[in-house]
Amino acid sequence: GAGVSQSPRYKVAKRGQDVALRCDPISGHVSLFWYQQALGQGPEFLTYFQNEAQLDKSGLPSDRFFAERPEGSVSTLKIQRTQQEDSAVYLCASSLRLGQILNTEAFFGQGTRLTVV
Amino acid sequence: SQQGEEDPQALSIQEGENATMNCSYKTSINNLQWYRQNSGRGLVHLILIRSNEREKHSGRLRVTLDTSKKSSSLLITASRAADTASYFCANGAQKLVFGQGTRLTINP
Repeated sequence: GAGVSQSPRYKVAKRGQDVALRCDPISGHVSLFWYQQALGQGPEFLTYFQNEAQLDKSGLPSDRFFAERPEGSVSTLKIQRTQQEDSAVYLCASSLRLGQILNTEAFFGQGTRLTVV
Repeated sequence: SQQGEEDPQALSIQEGENATMNCSYKTSINNLQWYRQNSGRGLVHLILIRSNEREKHSGRLRVTLDTSKKSSSLLITASRAADTASYFCANGAQKLVFGQGTRLTINP
């Protein structure tokens, strides 16, 4: 597809269940970002990849959150032992990065709405 | 928190009027972007203003940047009902630090 694709669009998990959220970035985009957006709030940074390297994971709220991008394309955000406070929309974004000099826009997916019950 | 502060949190105006939203950061600004988000959808990039620029235009959008005050404003002129959405500013060269958003409602 032409845009960033995320799946599933909606996920309901029972508390304690593990979930995996998938992101297919735009082909050729080097940078990939995960954000968490609570209802009525702005997105908050979770983690960032450049190709397969996870360069920044400072936003991951706990060690229950894990992200990977093993081949530098598709990324998976995994949340173990989900808690109610994990309920949010998880947004993935990708951008074409040409080094530190140029800053280009990020293209966002539609997000995965996670509800933990 | 490094999150940007946006003002106002909500804005309701009549179609045809201009809408102005402001955002400020406590940290220095390193390229500032504005995004739009319709309810339940992803974010759409509107405009990017670099840290060495003061003003930028794109169609009905006008963005200003004051790096000394660490603030930016977004002006939408001649608003339309379809402009109803939430608008977010985002600061950063790599990871983006978003504001809390302004919910804009355009009344027909």
